[in-house]
Amino acid sequence: ETGVTQSPTHLIKTRGQQVTLRCSSQSGHNTVSWYQQALGQGPQFIFQYYREEENGRGNFPPRFSGLQFPNYSSELNVNALELDDSALYLCASSLGPGQDTGELFFGEGSRLTVL
Amino acid sequence: AQTVTQSQPEMSVQEAETVTLSCTYDTSENNYYLFWYKQPPSRQMILVIRQEAYKQQNATENRFSVNFQKAAKSFSLKISDSQLGDTAMYFCAFMKRADKLIFGTGTRLQVFP
Repeated sequence: ETGVTQSPTHLIKTRGQQVTLRCSSQSGHNTVSWYQQALGQGPQFIFQYYREEENGRGNFPPRFSGLQFPNYSSELNVNALELDDSALYLCASSLGPGQDTGELFFGEGSRLTVL
Repeated sequence: AQTVTQSQPEMSVQEAETVTLSCTYDTSENNYYLFWYKQPPSRQMILVIRQEAYKQQNATENRFSVNFQKAAKSFSLKISDSQLGDTAMYFCAFMKRADKLIFGTGTRLQVFP
């Protein structure tokens, strides 16, 4: 059983650029959630995808967008990068509504630095 | 809105000793989960222990146990026989059923030899 994998592990961008982060969910999981973890803080919920549809969103502006593909992998896209977007971005997969055990499995994250 | 509070930014413990990390939360929900996650320098969030709110019995996983006080909205983590590998950030988290995780700000635990 493969775990959650994220890419890239580190990247550096400049203000105004766009970034795409990728996540492969754990085998058998159809739900992917994305979290932003600023330095020294707990993770904050960005959004969740279930069967290719957005299924909940946190308090993040529309320039944060996502996709989920038929194989349940996912992308997080951030447009018009700002300095405050510098953070660790965590992806987590889980079983979907109705099968929910409350347990999320996390990847190792993508560290984004915006200069 | 739900909130999670961890009032201990840093804790330290000697190897083989016991340490307790505190967590309180606020919710009007009756059916929810509580979690403790460990985040070592490798950055990956690792689930330590999980508690379902409707279960009165405190969860236990080997050296890790919780003291769940539903009325007081308290959920502390006890680590027995601390090991050097327990050094990490520990996050308390809350989840309504099939909803998002809400994390506290974390407690940095250092285990000394």
